[in-house]
Amino acid sequence: SQQGEEDPQALSIQEGENATMNCSYKTSINNLQWYRQNSGRGLVHLILIRSNEREKHSGRLRVTLDTSKKSSSLLITASRAADTASYFCATGSNDYKLSFGAGTTVTVRA
Amino acid sequence: NAGVTQTPKFQVLKTGQSMTLQCAQDMNHEYMSWYRQDPGMGLRLIHYSVGAGITDQGEVPNGYNVSRSTTEDFPLRLLSAAPSQTSVYFCASSTTQNTEAFFGQGTRLTVV
Repeated sequence: SQQGEEDPQALSIQEGENATMNCSYKTSINNLQWYRQNSGRGLVHLILIRSNEREKHSGRLRVTLDTSKKSSSLLITASRAADTASYFCATGSNDYKLSFGAGTTVTVRA
Repeated sequence: NAGVTQTPKFQVLKTGQSMTLQCAQDMNHEYMSWYRQDPGMGLRLIHYSVGAGITDQGEVPNGYNVSRSTTEDFPLRLLSAAPSQTSVYFCASSTTQNTEAFFGQGTRLTVV
């Protein structure tokens, strides 16, 4: 079974609004990563947060990690049409596997 | 740099045929992996390799073989294609499983 589960499955927002999506996982991790996938393309790495970190920023992205709740959130601020994509969380652990969730599809309306 | 290159981009196979999906990376990454992506299921790990000569099974390995004779290449072989293997296949590489992964553009495979 997959390690991560994203919530919600789909999200539609107006340009300029913030988008928040969550990821829950089941077992202990070394790190959690977020990826973006535009339609028909490969995945692109956005940000990595290690298990001893609680928050990380990269441009308009903010990621939090709560290891006690086994959950993470990705916030995209001031969304743009170009942010329309699917977003996946992935967990890295000691078993040499990077495991992905099913993803959140984000649509940014102009 | 080319990054991760997958070939072919599209392929149609008949049930029972075999084929090899190619994956090459030029970043000297030790860790390489193959995923399949099906609608609503995200990416599922098929096989992975932590270095040349070392491979292991992921979540959905049945029907697939891999080998890693060089650091650069990690081909995925379908031994006898089945309609259930219709999917989009992605190859990825990274320094380790705990660092940023770089993905190829994918191979869209249809088995009829």
